[in-house]
Amino acid sequence: QSVLTQPPSASGTPGQRVTISCSGSSSNIGSNTVNWYQQLPGTAPKLLIYDNNQRPSGVPDRFSGSKSGASASLAISGLQSEDEADFYCAAWDDSLSSVLFGGGTKVTVL
Amino acid sequence: EVQVVESGGGLVQPGGSLRLSCAASGFTLSSNWMHWVRQAPGKGLVWVSRFSSDGRSTNYADSVKGRFTISRDNAKNTLYLQMNSLRAEDTAVYYCARAASGTRNAFDIWGQGTVLTVSS
Repeated sequence: QSVLTQPPSASGTPGQRVTISCSGSSSNIGSNTVNWYQQLPGTAPKLLIYDNNQRPSGVPDRFSGSKSGASASLAISGLQSEDEADFYCAAWDDSLSSVLFGGGTKVTVL
Repeated sequence: EVQVVESGGGLVQPGGSLRLSCAASGFTLSSNWMHWVRQAPGKGLVWVSRFSSDGRSTNYADSVKGRFTISRDNAKNTLYLQMNSLRAEDTAVYYCARAASGTRNAFDIWGQGTVLTVSS
């Protein structure tokens, strides 16, 4: 069981906005930054958002991140078919001295 | 091109040992924090270990502490993961990942992964 909690699935139609939540605690999200990864089927993960809300070069601005307290969220606006993937949040945990990943959210474009 | 390439995976019996390698190109390993992340078949990502850029610090997930050792060879620009006392639950794809410059834990470069299967 992951210490960072994500919904197992989310879905939307093309063009819709989808939001994925990531809930943690004071020792991880509450005191450290959150990163988000996208993993397309059969491929290695890709950094989508770092430091809560920063996009690496090349990541479309349709993807945005936010954090409040011990929770974070990833929003995908203008959902596209190529966005179908697994999305993971991650954060350092001060108590465990470990990086924690969420369980992952599978996004389906209907 | 900046990339990392893992190797060394394979089939190992329970209790056995194996060393994974992660060869970096296009950047110097000692400039970034480096990590190992694994993914069991059909499961999510699980962090395994990290090595600091200055070489002074390592961290491990509780599930591998005392069994796995992360190290780096600056001359070969290669990161390693020595895995001992392997268990069936260690079966996974093992990814080497680079933390982005200025961060310790935001993984901007990932390898293609190497597969470890622990089975008799």
